Amino acid sequence: GAGVSQTPSNKVTEKGKYVELRCDPISGHTALYWYRQSLGQGPEFLIYFQGTGAADDSGLPNDRFFAVRPEGSVSTLKIQRTERGDSAVYLCASSLTGQHSGANVLTFGAGSRLTVL
Amino acid sequence: GQSLEQPSEVTAVEGAIVQINCTYQTSGFYGLSWYQQHDGGAPTFLSYNALDGLEETGRFSSFLSRSDSYGYLLLQELQMKDSASYFCAVLGAGGGNKLTFGTGTQLKVEL
Repeated sequence: GAGVSQTPSNKVTEKGKYVELRCDPISGHTALYWYRQSLGQGPEFLIYFQGTGAADDSGLPNDRFFAVRPEGSVSTLKIQRTERGDSAVYLCASSLTGQHSGANVLTFGAGSRLTVL
Repeated sequence: GQSLEQPSEVTAVEGAIVQINCTYQTSGFYGLSWYQQHDGGAPTFLSYNALDGLEETGRFSSFLSRSDSYGYLLLQELQMKDSASYFCAVLGAGGGNKLTFGTGTQLKVEL
């Protein structure tokens, strides 16, 4: 597509529920990233995919968070047993390549705002 | 690990020039990038430096000194629409192929 598309744009859920957030990157971009941003803070890295595989998941805060990218395009971030502290904007980004020259230039989606009540 | 420091807020008048500084710590270095984010919007890429010196893109320029672990974003002929948050981000060997972002500088442009 023309840009990075994220759905839903807003999600309100109750504590303890399961949530899925979807990201559709720019066509042809091999690298896909998930970040989380809280109010007044910079984006915080969660996980990075090169193709179908998670090349770096060191930013996932705990085992309640999981992400997949089964066909090397669309990715889903899954959060189990949501907690109030998970409330944030979840940003997806893609880049043409995960190599250094490409990894500096990310195109972000508009984000999914998650609110856990 | 990696860390970045930048001022939390900067205020300037329309038509002026403003410089937003960023210092970083990283093991290995592959680039310093700058992103702009308007309230409620997505971060958008502005510029990046992998080598020392100045990169110019229209009204925006970015500078890097690797020996000082320092860079800055220069915005010229400020416009009201430049009011936004500006983030520096570093790509370093210690962090793998992922950008680590600073906490951002909120720029307010006044008449």
